[in-house]
Amino acid sequence: DAGVTQSPTHLIKTRGQHVTLRCSPISGHKSVSWYQQVLGQGPQFIFQYYEKEERGRGNFPDRFSARQFPNYSSELNVNALLLGDSALYLCASSLASGTGGSYEQYFGPGTRLTVT
Amino acid sequence: AQSVTQLDSQVPVFEEAPVELRCNYSSSVSVYLFWYVQYPNQGLQLLLKYLSGSTLVESINGFEAEFNKSQTSFHLRKPSVHISDTAEYFCAVTKGVGSGTYKYIFGTGTRLKVLA
Repeated sequence: DAGVTQSPTHLIKTRGQHVTLRCSPISGHKSVSWYQQVLGQGPQFIFQYYEKEERGRGNFPDRFSARQFPNYSSELNVNALLLGDSALYLCASSLASGTGGSYEQYFGPGTRLTVT
Repeated sequence: AQSVTQLDSQVPVFEEAPVELRCNYSSSVSVYLFWYVQYPNQGLQLLLKYLSGSTLVESINGFEAEFNKSQTSFHLRKPSVHISDTAEYFCAVTKGVGSGTYKYIFGTGTRLKVLA
């Protein structure tokens, strides 16, 4: 079975531009979470979606937004890119949203975003 | 709010020697605990988890971790490391059941370098 997939793998953008990152969860998983991992640090939670609804949001500015589609895939959008947005963006999928079921999150390989 | 502290940013150890990677957490509610491993230029892979039951949990590749509620710790150990264990290791915590939504709080990571 395919794991979590993310696209693109690498991306270079200029300050002020917009970026869209994509994630496909493991088949049967209905929850998708997004994390930002800056070099040398642990992942930081950005969003969680379950059944197409936002269930959690981390301490990120409104320039960050996301959505989940009927097939449970997800997009992360970042507007007005800053140099500090350069990071590895990780998507994770899981069976449940936190009200029961499995709590393990399975991570994709990430999208490395470089803002110049 | 939860927090995770990984005291050691880097741990060098010779091949076949034992290793312990330390993780302490802070939380006012019950938590679930995880260890993830990240190899260079890859996403995170779940190594082991503590949800409930036995406080000693084991992975298939020889790692083990013990949940200690009184010391709020979840240290990772391996009795004999291999070169292939060289990677970044992250400890993560999430709130327990019934939270409605859950996000992982990660530590800053410990870089394990196994020396020949």
